Amino acid sequence: EPEVTQTPSHQVTQMGQEVILRCVPISNHLYFYWYRQILGQKVEFLVSFYNNEISEKSEIFDDQFSVERPDGSNFTLKIRSTKLEDSAMYFCASRPGQGSYGYTFGSGTRLTVV
Amino acid sequence: KNEVEQSPQNLTAQEGEFITINCSYSVGISALHWLQQHPGGGIVSLFMLSSGKKKHGRLIATINIQEKHSSLHITASHPRDSAVYICADDFSGTYKYIFGTGTRLKVLA
Repeated sequence: EPEVTQTPSHQVTQMGQEVILRCVPISNHLYFYWYRQILGQKVEFLVSFYNNEISEKSEIFDDQFSVERPDGSNFTLKIRSTKLEDSAMYFCASRPGQGSYGYTFGSGTRLTVV
Repeated sequence: KNEVEQSPQNLTAQEGEFITINCSYSVGISALHWLQQHPGGGIVSLFMLSSGKKKHGRLIATINIQEKHSSLHITASHPRDSAVYICADDFSGTYKYIFGTGTRLKVLA
């Protein structure tokens, strides 16, 4: 069964460093998403991406964050100058075009900022 | 403000029991999504529904649009059903979800 793959599964970084979280969506999917879950809290929407541009973003997704689909297969979330409060599980998800379901999450990247 | 509330927060059941998890939302929906989060953290999509009822194996999801309420039922529960079950309100139709806090289910053998 097709999967959304996220790497790394766990990343530890120093406060102030930049991190890039990587996702490989399912190959024929067109819509891509990032969510995050701070330990013990709800999952939160960060951003949606379609046709090589951001469709929607939440208030959390400020100038510190950016997304990119650099090569047609990877979908990345970059966090510049990480803060302690960025520590969370980050989930990527993708789905096919309109009229189809197949909405699939990746297994997540646990980011720990120290 | 759109809130999504789930009940109960925690649920322990014996194997074989019928389980119901409830979800209420305060604003209208385009669709409601039920998700399962495994102990390791991974999330699996279970159902997406905007009306009526859907069934997949031992899982049944129902929604009442007028009452702004959805339920997830598990028949003949099994220890492998132990997980956190999350409902999410896709109020705008764009997958910009408002997530519930989750219901932590533990099924004992």
